[in-house]
Formats: sequence, structure tokens, C-alpha cells
Amino acid sequence: EVQLVESGGGLVQPGGSLRLSCAASGFTFSSYWMHWVRQAPGKGLVWVSRINSDGSSTSYADSVKGRFTISRDNAKNTLYLQMNSLRAEDTAVYYCARGQSNRIDYWGQGTLVTVSS
Amino acid sequence: QSALTQPASVSGSPGQSITISCTGTSSDVGAYNYVSWYQQHPGKAPKLMIYDVSKRPSGVSNRFSGSKSGNTASLTISGLQAEDEADYYCSSYTGSSTLVFGGGTKLTVL
Repeated sequence: EVQLVESGGGLVQPGGSLRLSCAASGFTFSSYWMHWVRQAPGKGLVWVSRINSDGSSTSYADSVKGRFTISRDNAKNTLYLQMNSLRAEDTAVYYCARGQSNRIDYWGQGTLVTVSS
Repeated sequence: QSALTQPASVSGSPGQSITISCTGTSSDVGAYNYVSWYQQHPGKAPKLMIYDVSKRPSGVSNRFSGSKSGNTASLTISGLQAEDEADYYCSSYTGSSTLVFGGGTKLTVL
């Protein structure tokens, strides 16, 4: 069974940093691209970033480019999202998701990030 | 990276059929047959319902179907059931290995 478990969310002040983690199990993590998608309270899904299977290629939404960094450790079956210079508009539930042929097929349960003073 | 356009809400009675539209551009929905649909119940993670425009993952009811014409994709749910009440999101590949989502549609089963 595919399992994706996010952690690292919490309350952070504007301008601060946070690192999210996503522990993967139930599949060969090193064979799949991975994504981060976020959902602000009461709002829709927004794609944030993706990384290819060996970590050599990444892409970002314009809204986070230069502030967020996606990475992975295939030896630890873990995906990361380093978030710097956080803004109030970054407040959201952040989902880790597995990529499969230009789509997302499995999602984690999400971790809430709140940016507020 | 503008969001795809979906109606904010749709509704239907049990047993009826409803269709949710998802309009993009010639750079996303119109350019690729990589449209997916996700169902999200309150407080839960999204679930893949349709991929590659019209394919159903194993375990998804055949009451769910997808199609595409030009820059607009559609999700049809036939034989509406109470448990279908949820938010539905479309997504499209946009090239350069990126994705874009629609704004979401709230389905109410009357």
C-alpha cells in the first residue's frame, strides 16, 4: 500500500523558514517523480513543485521560485521542501504527492503551515 | 501558470447525471491528453478519479467518466449517489514537467 506521511508543518513568523518532510513507503520511491501541492484554508489545490526520480531536475511555481527548494533522499525514501522567506500567503496545507506519467496518483494527508506574527 | 476554470458549484439529485467542465488553454488542456480529475471530501486528501482524460484507476466506479474537446475537459458522474458529494478538481500537464489545477467545483447531491 502506498503511504506518504508529511511532517514539519507549524506556525512560523513572516520571513521565517520551515522544512517539510514526506516519508514514503509501499513503493519503490527512487523510481518515481514527486510533487508538493498546497491548499490554502477554504481554497483550491495549487501545484508548488516537482522533482524527478534521481533528484537531478526540479520545477517550481512562479509564486515560490527562489524561495522554496525541493529535494529528496532516495536512501531514506524521503522528500523535502525547504521553505524560506515565508509570507502570509504561503499559509496552507502542504501535500506530498507521487507523480506518475504527467499526473499525480497518490497523495499524503498533508501538513499545515501557518505564517503569522 | 493560470488556474484552469471550473464552475464553483454544481448540484444534482440522486440517480441523475452531472457534468463538470474544466477550461484551459492551447498550452495545457488543449495541448496534451494529460487531464486528471480528483475527488476531495472535507478534511481529506484528494483521490485520483480520472487520468489521461478518460481512464479510470482500478477501484474507481464506472459511474465516473471523462472527456475532452479542444481546450475544455469534462467529468461526468452518472447515477449520482450521496457519497459523491465532494469537491472536484481537474488538473492538466502544462509542459516542462509542471502541472496546473482548476479552482475546484463543489458538488452537492440534493
